[in-house]
Amino acid sequence: RKEVEQDPGPFNVPEGATVAFNCTYSNSASQSFFWYRQDCRKEPKLLMSVYSSGNEDGRFTAQLNRASQYISLLIRDSKLSDSATYLCVVNDRSAGTYKYIFGTGTRLKVLA
Amino acid sequence: EPEVTQTPSHQVTQMGQEVILRCVPISNHLYFYWYRQILGQKVEFLVSFYNNEISEKSEIFDDQFSVERPDGSNFTLKIRSTKLEDSAMYFCASSDLSSGANVLTFGAGSRLTVL
Repeated sequence: RKEVEQDPGPFNVPEGATVAFNCTYSNSASQSFFWYRQDCRKEPKLLMSVYSSGNEDGRFTAQLNRASQYISLLIRDSKLSDSATYLCVVNDRSAGTYKYIFGTGTRLKVLA
Repeated sequence: EPEVTQTPSHQVTQMGQEVILRCVPISNHLYFYWYRQILGQKVEFLVSFYNNEISEKSEIFDDQFSVERPDGSNFTLKIRSTKLEDSAMYFCASSDLSSGANVLTFGAGSRLTVL
């Protein structure tokens, strides 16, 4: 099983739609979780951290389910500018390491 | 806003040559990383560095790779005897885990093309 798994997509959605991405992780000792956004040929940029109780930032909502070891990202009212690849990132701090592990990313295309 | 700076932005080299990629992490960050992304593929962990030594490395980070913090600000990745398959975007990143703000901040990347 891959350490961090995501559906690669692409998800093609019309402007204004709501879209959700899931991500599963294999290491139950993982402690920190993030969603990053990556535009074509650019560096990943933090979209939001994911907290145990779930958290929201404007149109974006992130959820964490530790029991099932998955993380989700919900984007409401999609904009053309949301088109990007969304990377699920897990910080494995077990055994004194601080490795950030990336999923393959989910491509989103928002269509006019 | 503090940022991670990487140079060069693009380097073209011949197979077998040595390459040094440079990074200036965010000044109060203590943890430094190199990641690699081959075109169209996932972001892959290469190495993490803390307190002037490697704290972890992946199986990709073999003997042809080395990292160094030669002074108080730079963090370098050296690739000896480059291979065609080393062509990728190399991202430097840093974080400040000591404060609990363990967000990873990336530089803009160095694109390496090996011919």
